[in-house]
Amino acid sequence: GDSVTQMEGPVTLSEEAFLTINCTYTATGYPSLFWYVQYPGEGLQLLLKATKADDKGSNKGFEATYRKETTSFHLEKGSVQVSDSAVYFCALPGAQKLVFGQGTRLTINP
Amino acid sequence: DAGVIQSPRHEVTEMGQEVTLRCKPISGHNSLFWYRQTMMRGLELLIYFNNNVPIDDSGMPEDRFSAKMPNASFSTLKIQPSEPRDSAVYFCASRPDRKNSPLHFGNGTRLTVT
Repeated sequence: GDSVTQMEGPVTLSEEAFLTINCTYTATGYPSLFWYVQYPGEGLQLLLKATKADDKGSNKGFEATYRKETTSFHLEKGSVQVSDSAVYFCALPGAQKLVFGQGTRLTINP
Repeated sequence: DAGVIQSPRHEVTEMGQEVTLRCKPISGHNSLFWYRQTMMRGLELLIYFNNNVPIDDSGMPEDRFSAKMPNASFSTLKIQPSEPRDSAVYFCASRPDRKNSPLHFGNGTRLTVT
């Protein structure tokens, strides 16, 4: 069945560092791919998405490229801020329900 | 668009009491999902509905948990009797039936059972 695997956390970086959170997937066909972010005390919210191979989703300085060859959708940001501290989830729409990765907790220190 | 609305935001109750969590999905969204989130287990799907009909309740932990969706704009998750291990944040989410559409989450209900 469909599945998503994210890099293990937690991840701790200093402000202005480069961020990569790895995500790989297994799916039938070529579904859309999503990154969700959960800030402390809040629900998950859609950060960005890509709907087909080679698409690049971007939002708030974050980017992720849908790589069919490597079945990956890694999240990147060139210069992180303290306000980016949150939990990040990679996800894909399964047959009826969304399939989530286990989440990666990111902490940015000033 | 008001988003998915959950109530209450916080609930503190004693073991053995009944707890009811409420959710109003986004208008026009056909599917509704209940999740539970804890530090130990992460995000777990409990049950989901499509067009008010329960489709998959395999994630419901035990018979103490029940969920209903009497109409397209309202759902409840009930725990009776509650236990301390039910303490968690419970999220409701909804999505339309369009292919590849994302989920929209509410802000959750933080449940503490003492």
